[in-house]
Amino acid sequence: QKEVEQNSGPLSVPEGAIASLNCTYSDRGSQSFFWYRQYSGKSPELIMSIYSNGDKEDGRFTAQLNKASQYVSLLIRDSQPSDSATYLCAVLDRGSTLGRLYFGRGTQLTVWP
Amino acid sequence: GAVVSQHPSRVICKSGTSVKIECRSLDFQATTMFWYRQFPKKSLMLMATSNEGSKATYEQGVEKDKFLINHASLTLSTLTVTSAHPEDSSFYICSARGSSRVYNEQFFGPGTRLTVL
Repeated sequence: QKEVEQNSGPLSVPEGAIASLNCTYSDRGSQSFFWYRQYSGKSPELIMSIYSNGDKEDGRFTAQLNKASQYVSLLIRDSQPSDSATYLCAVLDRGSTLGRLYFGRGTQLTVWP
Repeated sequence: GAVVSQHPSRVICKSGTSVKIECRSLDFQATTMFWYRQFPKKSLMLMATSNEGSKATYEQGVEKDKFLINHASLTLSTLTVTSAHPEDSSFYICSARGSSRVYNEQFFGPGTRLTVL
């Protein structure tokens, strides 16, 4: 069973701060990683994908990948109350030809004004 | 781009009836579609994976005769919950994945909230 672990949270940060969300995975050969945001009562929304070691930035979001440490993180700069949601880390199952994802349990983030 | 729709968004039905949920990729061809179920405050649970023109692959513990999946075209997959019972009440979400480099990611539909009375 391939595992994806996230810091369970909940994580609470003040508006304007940096929120740091962490994820580790068990399959050392994994190549593709994704971060989804899920608001309460809604479906997940893809916000970042990352495939290479290092940082990938998109607006206020930065994904960081370290394959040697089997670690992927998401940083949210200048956090806003609208960022309050559950963030899901997902890893592509490299053994699946159909593109199955393994999800972590999610980290609930609250940004307070 | 990468828009996935689901219909209906909400359905309430009596125990014993069947409910069909449609999932469509609106602006890309989805070679693979996934069906998930999510209970309140719980993780996403993958139910099955379907490839266009092929039989669906069900996860362990998911009854294929109860949850019928049809992936008839590259833009449409349907999930039919047969003889629904109150314990089937849940949030059902589909996702779609294309075959191109751009749409290799998995995009989710808005979900269908099923309540069985």
